[in-house]
Amino acid sequence: QVQLQESGPGLVKPSDTLSLTCTVSGYSISSGYFWGWIRQPPGKGLEWIGSIFHTGNIYYNPSLKSRVTISVDTSQNQFSLKLNSVTAADTAVYYCANSRANFEYWGQGALVAVSS
Amino acid sequence: DVQMTQSPSTLSASVGDRVTITCRASQSFSRWLAWYQQKPGKAPNLLIYKASTLKSGVPSRFSGSGSGTEFTLTISSLQPDDFATYYCQQYNSDSPTWTFGQGTRVEVK
Repeated sequence: QVQLQESGPGLVKPSDTLSLTCTVSGYSISSGYFWGWIRQPPGKGLEWIGSIFHTGNIYYNPSLKSRVTISVDTSQNQFSLKLNSVTAADTAVYYCANSRANFEYWGQGALVAVSS
Repeated sequence: DVQMTQSPSTLSASVGDRVTITCRASQSFSRWLAWYQQKPGKAPNLLIYKASTLKSGVPSRFSGSGSGTEFTLTISSLQPDDFATYYCQQYNSDSPTWTFGQGTRVEVK
């Protein structure tokens, strides 16, 4: 079974870069699927951030595209998220997940707070 | 971009009730529509994909239907474990992009 686990700092200062890594087990990232990031501000709904296809093609939410970078490290079976110039509005639980048209396997989520 | 609007935002119901949640798209798209259940502090859990296909292991009281711009999630007889928030999600294969509805909270009446 596919398992995903987010890791990274839980606190980021305003204007800094948020960095998270998702480690995948039970499946090789390079074998298939999209691998994506979704976030959820406290008490609010889900927002897709972006996804990387197993071929390396990357797709971003247009509303975040200017600040987001997603990359993959197939040797470590990990993919990563960088969100720059963060503000308090970026405080959220960040999930990694795999998908085709829908998100089937999810990580447990990582709460990242933006605060000085 | 396709916008997804769920209704209602909150639904008050009792155990045994039939519950219906609607998801409307701003434009017609394929049947790549999924439904998720989320409980507090947990990741969403996929219930239904391709508008009406029940994920393996999901109770049969859950069902999905619809096409074009209107989709529904129905719980035929609400159980105590079903009080949660439900999200629809659309996939646009042209871009590709994924878009969630704003969620529907099912609460105890």
